[in-house]
Amino acid sequence: NAGVMQNPRHLVRRRGQEARLRCSPMKGHSHVYWYRQLPEEGLKFMVYLQKENIIDESGMPKERFSAEFPKEGPSILRIQQVVRGDSAAYFCASSPLDLAGGIVTYNEQFFGPGTRLTVL
Amino acid sequence: DQQVKQNSPSLSVQEGRISILNCDYTNSMFDYFLWYKKYPAEGPTFLISISSIKDKNEDGRFTVFLNKSAKHLSLHIVPSQPGDSAVYFCAAGSGAGSYQLTFGKGTKLSVIP
Repeated sequence: NAGVMQNPRHLVRRRGQEARLRCSPMKGHSHVYWYRQLPEEGLKFMVYLQKENIIDESGMPKERFSAEFPKEGPSILRIQQVVRGDSAAYFCASSPLDLAGGIVTYNEQFFGPGTRLTVL
Repeated sequence: DQQVKQNSPSLSVQEGRISILNCDYTNSMFDYFLWYKKYPAEGPTFLISISSIKDKNEDGRFTVFLNKSAKHLSLHIVPSQPGDSAVYFCAAGSGAGSYQLTFGKGTKLSVIP
């Protein structure tokens, strides 16, 4: 069973370009979370998605950032008109649906290897 | 405002000795705490967790202690092994079913052979 996949692993963009980060959750997982780690910082929650639904995007910057998790295909984190401050490691995590009650326990978040975005 | 603090950016320990990693939190709503381990170029890997109804949880060489009154938790690794060298993140969550984890900045552990 493959783990959480993220690509690309490294992405270099110039200021003003768009960055698209992809995340394929573990097989059978229907919940996806995106976290951002700025240099010398801990991971910070950005957004929580289920298939075709954004459940909580309270950690996402209001402008230029968007996320989706379509019915088919990977989850996409999109950053438009990137700036140098967007340079960071972006981690995706996934978790399964808890059939017992719809409650996701913390320790079931499995992380991908991350995408390191560098904005020149 | 940093709600989860790991005040030691790094720690060096001799192989075979005990490693103690510390974490403090400020948000009283946190009721679930986790430790993640991260190697370079990899994502965080879940290590061990503890609920606020407990003060200790043990899993093999890893033990987490929680002191709610002091808003402090610690991870003990005994005995430490070179393969334990990694960055350790403390994380916290609040409310049953909550999915937002708040992470500390991490402590880099180096276990010297």
